[in-house]
Order: sequence, then structure tokens, then C-alpha cells
Amino acid sequence: GENVEQHPSTLSVQEGDSAVIKCTYSDSASNYFPWYKQELGKGPQLIIDIRSNVGEKKDQRIAVTLNKTAKHFSLHITETQPEDSAVYFCAASTSNNDMRFGAGTRLTVKP
Amino acid sequence: NAGVTQTPKFRILKIGQSMTLQCTQDMNHNYMYWYRQDPGMGLKLIYYSVGAGITDKGEVPNGYNVSRSTTEDFPLRLELAAPSQTSVYFCASSYSITTLATDTQYFGPGTRLTVL
Repeated sequence: GENVEQHPSTLSVQEGDSAVIKCTYSDSASNYFPWYKQELGKGPQLIIDIRSNVGEKKDQRIAVTLNKTAKHFSLHITETQPEDSAVYFCAASTSNNDMRFGAGTRLTVKP
Repeated sequence: NAGVTQTPKFRILKIGQSMTLQCTQDMNHNYMYWYRQDPGMGLKLIYYSVGAGITDKGEVPNGYNVSRSTTEDFPLRLELAAPSQTSVYFCASSYSITTLATDTQYFGPGTRLTVL
């Protein structure tokens, strides 16, 4: 089955700096790559996703890049703010019932 | 829309007790899922359903049961609770027009379960 690795496990940045989180996947058939943000005591919330027919997607301060050849994808957050502090999860999926999640990255944005 | 709601928020069980975690969605989604989240790890799929009356096992189904009698509700049952089932449980739902698709999943707030 699919295996998703996520790095780093913790990331601390200064407010205004950029943050980058990277994930690798093993199954070349994976075609959907969402990123979720989980705040303390809450469920994961989708922040951005990308499909395998696209190399990059951007939504305001958030962008995701996908390299299918190398089987890795990354989340980029620019101009970080304290409210960006949370745990971020990547996932890779070949179908609705086969979504595999990374272990998460705890992002801390220091004011 | 309330989205995906879960009850209870917290629960402590003794070994061997049973309980049902409730999940309801009001988005008319056909797919529903149950995940567990252990500390420092990603979510793992326990069971899923593609529609009322249809359920199937995920990656970690042992010790759990589910039913899907309506589109809205997808309860998760623990029959004989064990300490290994201490975890945070998330219900999710999505809308898909084909079993080949992969669609956005919307998550509930979770149930934190402790088995002592």
C-alpha cells in the first residue's frame, strides 16, 4: 500500500518568514494530494489540494508543488502569521478509500 | 450547514466496555469514513461507506464495527474496549460520483477516547 513520509516533524519560523513542509509518497498511482491544517482540539481542515495532472497550485499565501517523477510534493506558506501555527498533514490517495496520511508537522510561528 | 458532527467529544471507558461513537453529516455526501489518530502519527482508516447499506474495512478495522442505515449517519461501535483503542477518532465525509474518484474529505471535530 501507499506510504507517505512527511518532514520536518516540527518547524519554528519567525512571523513573516516562509515555511516549507515536504512529503514523499511511494505509490506512483496516487493522483490526489491534499494538505490539512489541524488546530488544537479540532478536526483536520483542508487548506489546499492538488491533482496529479497539475504541477503547482496557489491560493493566496499558500502554494503546493508536485513532482510526480520524484514522487514528492511540498506545501509552501509565505508571510507566515501567528494564526498559521498548527499541525499540518499531507496525504496521498489513489481512491477515496485509500488515503494515506503523513505523520504531521507542528508549525510554530513566533511573533 | 453544520457539516460533520460527532458525539461525544470525550469518553473514558474501562477495559471490556462497549460504546458507540456517533457521526452525522448534513451535506448529503455519499461517502463516509472513520479514522483514528494516534499521537505523532497520521490518520489511519478504520472503516468506510460508499452509501447507505454499504460498508467496508479500511486499514485498521479490528475491534470495530460500523453500520450505515441512512445517508446522514455512520456510527462506529467498539464492542470490547482495549487500551490499544485509546485514540482520537475522526469521522469524515465526501461526495463522489464515481468509485474511481478521489474527492475532498470533510472532517468532524473528533472524539477523544481513553480506555483504562
